[in-house]
Parts: sequence; structure tokens; C-alpha cells
Amino acid sequence: QVQLQQSGTELVKPASSVKISCKASGYTFTSNYMHWIRQQPGNGLEWIGWIYPGNGNTRYNQKFDGKTTLTADKSSSTAYMQLSSLTSEDSAVYFCVRGGLPGFDYWGQGVMVTVSS
Amino acid sequence: DIQMTQSPSSLPASLGDRVIITCRASQDIGDYLRWFQQKPGRSPRLMIYGAINQAAGAPSRFSGSRSGPDYSLTISSLESEDMADYYCLQSKESPFTFGSGTKLEIK
Repeated sequence: QVQLQQSGTELVKPASSVKISCKASGYTFTSNYMHWIRQQPGNGLEWIGWIYPGNGNTRYNQKFDGKTTLTADKSSSTAYMQLSSLTSEDSAVYFCVRGGLPGFDYWGQGVMVTVSS
Repeated sequence: DIQMTQSPSSLPASLGDRVIITCRASQDIGDYLRWFQQKPGRSPRLMIYGAINQAAGAPSRFSGSRSGPDYSLTISSLESEDMADYYCLQSKESPFTFGSGTKLEIK
């Protein structure tokens, strides 16, 4: 069965960076895009970008360009998202989501990132 | 960027009602439209993809349709477990964009 297991809650200081993970199982990791989604408290969903683990290609929402770096480790079937120069605006829940067809059918449980001094 | 205008933002409804949620795309997105259900504290769940196709495990009372730039999610007979937030997503063009969401609640 397909599973996306994300890392745990993060409490981080302003101006710092954080790297969250998403370990995939139950399907061919390298053959499906992995998308990342942000949900700020009480708000809707925003698409951050995707990575294709097979070749490492990425595509970012310009809004998050420079803030976010997506990477993937084929050997461990794990996707990563690094957020840098954190501010309170980056406090949110971050989801990884499998792409492909039909796509967006399997989601991680979400990682809550809280930026606070 | 393609704007997805979702309505209504809030929808009070009674059990057994037929409810319709709509998203209008600012540009042609073909059938690159998905619908999601999200309950509090949970990850979103795919309900409809390709505008009209039911996702695996989605109850048959959920259906999707399209008329030009307007996409609709219909719940034929509302059940208590359907109370949730609903979002549309276009994936025709980057950046992918979500609608602003509809909160479906008991009247």
C-alpha cells in the first residue's frame, strides 16, 4: 500500500532553516512526481512545487522560489523540502503529495512548522 | 497565473440535500481539475480527478461536471460525514492553483 510518511513537528527560530522529509513506500518512487503543498493556519491550500525523483528535475511556484529547495534521495525513497530565512509567515502545515495519474491521490500526514523566537 | 474562483465560501445544508460547489477557471484548463475534501486536522482527500472521474474510494454520491470554464462538484444526498472543507485544484499550468475553499456545514 502506498504511504507517505513525513517527519515530525518543527519549532524553529526566525531567520533559521528547516528541512522536512517525506518517505515514500508502496510504489516506484522514481516514476512519480512529488508535490509539496502549504496550508497556513485557518487558510487554504497553496502549491509550492514539484520534484521528479527519477532525474531530480524541479518546478517551483514563483511565490516560493528562493524560499524553498526540493530534493530527493532515490536510495531511501525520501523527498525533502528545505525552507530558509524563516519568518512567522512560514508557520504552516506542509504536505507532500504523490503526483502522476490520477495524481494527488496519496498525501503525507503533514508537518506543522512553527516559527517563533 | 490561472485563478480558480470557488463558490460559495460557506454552504449551510441539511442532511439529504443535493449540494453543488463550483469553481470557475480564469483560463482554459481543459479537464485538469481535481476536487478534494478536507476534514479538520486531516490531510486533503482526492474525490474527483480529470474533472469528472471519481477517485478510488470516493462515495458514489460525489460527482464532477464541467460546463465551459465552470467546474462543479455535486453531492447527490448529503450525509453527516460529508461535512468538511472542499477545494478545487487546476493542474493545467504551473503554478498549480487551488480554489479558496468551501466550508460545508449543517444548517
